[in-house]
Amino acid sequence: EVELVESGGGLVQPGGSLRLSCAASGFNFDDCDMQWVRQAPGRGLEWVSGLTWDSGHIGYADSVKGRFTISRDNAKNSLYLQMNSLRTEDTGLYYCAGSLSVPKSLYFYAVDVWGPGTTVTVSS
Amino acid sequence: EIVLTQSPGTLSLSPGQRATLSCRASQSFSGNYFAWYQQKPGQAPRLLIYDSSSRAIGIPDRFSGSGSGTDFTLTISRLEPDDFAVYYCQQYGYSPLTFGQGTRLEIK
Repeated sequence: EVELVESGGGLVQPGGSLRLSCAASGFNFDDCDMQWVRQAPGRGLEWVSGLTWDSGHIGYADSVKGRFTISRDNAKNSLYLQMNSLRTEDTGLYYCAGSLSVPKSLYFYAVDVWGPGTTVTVSS
Repeated sequence: EIVLTQSPGTLSLSPGQRATLSCRASQSFSGNYFAWYQQKPGQAPRLLIYDSSSRAIGIPDRFSGSGSGTDFTLTISRLEPDDFAVYYCQQYGYSPLTFGQGTRLEIK
């Protein structure tokens, strides 16, 4: 069964850091581009970051550039998001998502598998 | 960044009716790197349409996508009770990828 499971969310003070993880199973993780998408409470979807199967292409939303770092470990079937200098507006549900339909894509693609999300709350 | 504007914000229809959801991009982009997602309360989004008009695996044929350039449309030909949800458009042709603000499809 294809599955993504996020972890690492929690409550952090403004200016603090968190590292999110996403464990993948049931598919060839090292062939797929992976992305992070977040959703503030009661709001819409916001793309946060993504990287291709070989980390050859990495992108960030303007709102997180310079503060967040995405990475992956294909040997461990895992995706990560290091979040520094957190702000209250970073609060939300963070989804890990992957594109399975285009193996070894050179760029980002529509995501067809999603995890249930992990909640990040930035508050003093 | 490419801004996507969805209309209407809320669409009230009855089961059996046809739904037409629109998404307009702030600039034209080549290639039909455009997707539609459905999200129900408490659930992760689900991919419906990719490459502007291709249905994802398991998506019924009452869902169809069309468009190019700056204007894209999701059509649900005959609404079923399970279709009432929030729908988001997304472009993945340029980084940063962007989503529209969503259209809420509610039962009339």
